[in-house]
Amino acid sequence: NAGVTQTPKFRILKIGQSMTLQCTQDMNHNYMYWYRQDPGMGLKLIYYSVGAGITDKGEVPNGYNVSRSTTEDFPLRLELAAPSQTSVYFCATSYGGFGEKLFFGSGTQLSVL
Amino acid sequence: AQTVTQSQPEMSVQEAETVTLSCTYDTSESDYYLFWYKQPPSRQMILVIRQEAYKQQNATENRFSVNFQKAAKSFSLKISDSQLGDAAMYFCAYRSGLRPAGTASKLTFGTGTRLQVTL
Repeated sequence: NAGVTQTPKFRILKIGQSMTLQCTQDMNHNYMYWYRQDPGMGLKLIYYSVGAGITDKGEVPNGYNVSRSTTEDFPLRLELAAPSQTSVYFCATSYGGFGEKLFFGSGTQLSVL
Repeated sequence: AQTVTQSQPEMSVQEAETVTLSCTYDTSESDYYLFWYKQPPSRQMILVIRQEAYKQQNATENRFSVNFQKAAKSFSLKISDSQLGDAAMYFCAYRSGLRPAGTASKLTFGTGTRLQVTL
């Protein structure tokens, strides 16, 4: 019963490098989300998807890209990493898009040095 | 825009005692949902309890209950019979109940309250 799986768990990047954070779910949920959590702060929405082939921006999309080619996978791409992108990144899913419970992955801690 | 405020950065409670975590929010909407999420040291966010704004009855989940005051825009979490495993960061969150078809409403989080449980 995997739920939401994120890889990697930790990563250090140099300024200007790129990387993709992977997120896979086996719950057949249509809605998927990427959040970032900065130290001492709550989570902020980066991008979300309401189904395969459909994505939309959240609060803080700049510097990121996403794609959703399948129901299961929702990768987050960082282009030209900057120190401001140092954060913990969470992928989440939900059955619906409103008041439903979110299921979270265990997060990716990213440092950009 | 909706905002969620948690004014207690840290709280401490003795094992078996009761503690209340505060949360206030600001919204002009009438249809919304409120949540408390727990983030233990493992980092994974876990839903503790959920409240629909249209329900007057306060939600309860075992040792966890809320005091939902809609007019005051207050949503506090009460943990009874506190256990060592309750030690974690607790986040209050708001989610709109109204969005155009084909979209999802944003979950807005507070900054969290770190709960320590002592023996």
